[in-house]
Amino acid sequence: ETGVTQTPRHLVMGMTNKKSLKCEQHLGHNAMYWYKQSAKKPLELMFVYNFKEQTENNSVPSRFSPECPNSSHLFLHLHTLQPEDSALYLCASSQDGQTNQPQHFGDGTRLSIL
Amino acid sequence: EDQVTQSPEALRLQEGESSSLNCSYTVSGLRGLFWYRQDPGKGPEFLFTLYSAGEEKEKERLKATLTKKESFLHITAPKPEDSATYLCAVPSQAGTALIFGKGTTLSVSS
Repeated sequence: ETGVTQTPRHLVMGMTNKKSLKCEQHLGHNAMYWYKQSAKKPLELMFVYNFKEQTENNSVPSRFSPECPNSSHLFLHLHTLQPEDSALYLCASSQDGQTNQPQHFGDGTRLSIL
Repeated sequence: EDQVTQSPEALRLQEGESSSLNCSYTVSGLRGLFWYRQDPGKGPEFLFTLYSAGEEKEKERLKATLTKKESFLHITAPKPEDSATYLCAVPSQAGTALIFGKGTTLSVSS
């Protein structure tokens, strides 16, 4: 596989469920990102990991918990979500976390909270 | 405050009708500007990086240009397959994040 792969592509969950989103990159990059994309809004950065260390948490509620076990894998653990958390969650990677480098995105997980 | 504004919000063109999309930004000390294409149900696909005023990049029917205050994405003789949402982004002044615009949704009809 090439590029950035996200699973699952679609997820429907109740407010009391616990689920995880997975992201894997095959580009040899060292930085990985989680973004939230809602209708009519710009992409919102959630978390940044650079060489497996979290370098940015953009005031994200604690019901979202990221995990980065290595430079190729990134998870977003979800629990007790709210209806306003329904959105497209995008994972991206870049060479080493410098913002003057392009980020490469996966196709996202479409999350619906019932 | 770092801001990226894209216009128009939506653009409808006939096949072959050239036009331009605009991305203006307020970040000082620009460290790069990125253009992406996003198709429905897909993630953003990287198109171009521009680093300095006067720089131009081309890919097929697309040409991106950069000034000190804005960037243009020129679409020459578009085809229906160019229909997508085009996003631009710049690094924040603090250099810790990319700031994205809301995008321009382009529809090209045959």
